Amino acid sequence: DTAVSQTPKYLVTQMGNDKSIKCEQNLGHDTMYWYKQDSKKFLKIMFSYNNKELIINETVPNRFSPKSPDKAHLNLHINSLELGDSAVYFCASSQKGGGTGGELFFGEGSRLTVL
Amino acid sequence: AQSVTQPDIHITVSEGASLELRCNYSYGATPYLFWYVQSPGQGLQLLLKYFSGDTLVQGIKGFEAEFKRSQSSFNLRKPSVHWSDAAEYFCAVGSRGTDKLIFGTGTRLQVFP
Repeated sequence: DTAVSQTPKYLVTQMGNDKSIKCEQNLGHDTMYWYKQDSKKFLKIMFSYNNKELIINETVPNRFSPKSPDKAHLNLHINSLELGDSAVYFCASSQKGGGTGGELFFGEGSRLTVL
Repeated sequence: AQSVTQPDIHITVSEGASLELRCNYSYGATPYLFWYVQSPGQGLQLLLKYFSGDTLVQGIKGFEAEFKRSQSSFNLRKPSVHWSDAAEYFCAVGSRGTDKLIFGTGTRLQVFP
């Protein structure tokens, strides 16, 4: 039973389209995150939510809109996709928040390719 | 501002050899330090973490890391590498009161038989 699951795992789309990635965690954690990993493997935090409340928004273009319907789900919607959005997007969760001592549990990633 | 440097982009070792992956951080106070491993096509898995106390921390899969404040380092070590250790390794730094982890650029480990 996967702890943090993301769908879809692969996404290929055209520039200008809108797409969503879904994330669910069954660990009972309060905090969820979206990270972006670029082609050079660099991982950068995009957003974090604690119990459905936005905590971190790291100067991400407003084309990216996270939504957390409940604390077990954190979805990422991207409008007007651009070539530079091609990356692997990781969802993660933690009990206390990674910076305050909680271990981050990562999903397997969603590879987005924008053509 | 916090930052993490992993000076080695790519390391190759023979199976059974010892391993040390370097990590240097920049942070004003005592950091929280982490090592994660990413196997191909997978998410990241925590190997070990340092918050306080004993500066030598033990992790899973036979890994350990030592926090050296004077050198701002948190190097990862393993005495004998197995072929299954081939993966990407990430060092990360966090701080009290925030949810933000800053990751290094990663070190890719290749293991030859």
